[in-house]
Amino acid sequence: DAGVTQSPTHLIKTRGQHVTLRCSPISGHKSVSWYQQVLGQGPQFIFQYYEKEERGRGNFPDRFSARQFPNYSSELNVNALLLGDSALYLCASSFPRAADDEQFFGPGTRLTVL
Amino acid sequence: KQEVTQIPAALSVPEGENLVLNCSFTDSAIYNLQWFRQDPGKGLTSLLLIQSSQREQTSGRLNASLDKSSGRSTLYIAASQPGDSATYLCAVSSYGTASKLTFGTGTRLQVTL
Repeated sequence: DAGVTQSPTHLIKTRGQHVTLRCSPISGHKSVSWYQQVLGQGPQFIFQYYEKEERGRGNFPDRFSARQFPNYSSELNVNALLLGDSALYLCASSFPRAADDEQFFGPGTRLTVL
Repeated sequence: KQEVTQIPAALSVPEGENLVLNCSFTDSAIYNLQWFRQDPGKGLTSLLLIQSSQREQTSGRLNASLDKSSGRSTLYIAASQPGDSATYLCAVSSYGTASKLTFGTGTRLQVTL
């Protein structure tokens, strides 16, 4: 079975531009979460979507937004890019159950802002 | 606010050694704890998940323990191999926000020949 997939794998943008990152969850998974990982740090939670509704938001500015589609895939949008937005963006999917909520991560999208 | 700390930040061991990675968290009201492996520039691979009601989980040469009351978890790697070289991340989730993981900064492990 295919794991979590993300596109593109790498992206270079300039300050002020907008970017859209895409994620397809594991088949059957209905929850998608987004994380930002700056070099040398652990991932930081950005958003969680479940059944197309936002269920959680981390401490990120309004320039960050996301949505989930009927097929449970998701997009992360970042407006007015800053140099500090350069990071590895990770998507995770899960099938929430009462006793377990194991998160499965994709390979990430490396965003470089110049 | 949950905070997760991992010690040591980096570790270098010769092949064949057994080793222990440590993870501590400040809020003991966790839902579960996951250990991940990350190779340079890559995504995260889930190694073990321990539910809050469990004390340990094992997978092959890996054993993870959880002591919720003291806010600690350890990842034990037996008979280390050069292929184990990677960064190991610990992450916890809380009740009510089970899909939101709070991560430590990781332990960078190098296993030498």
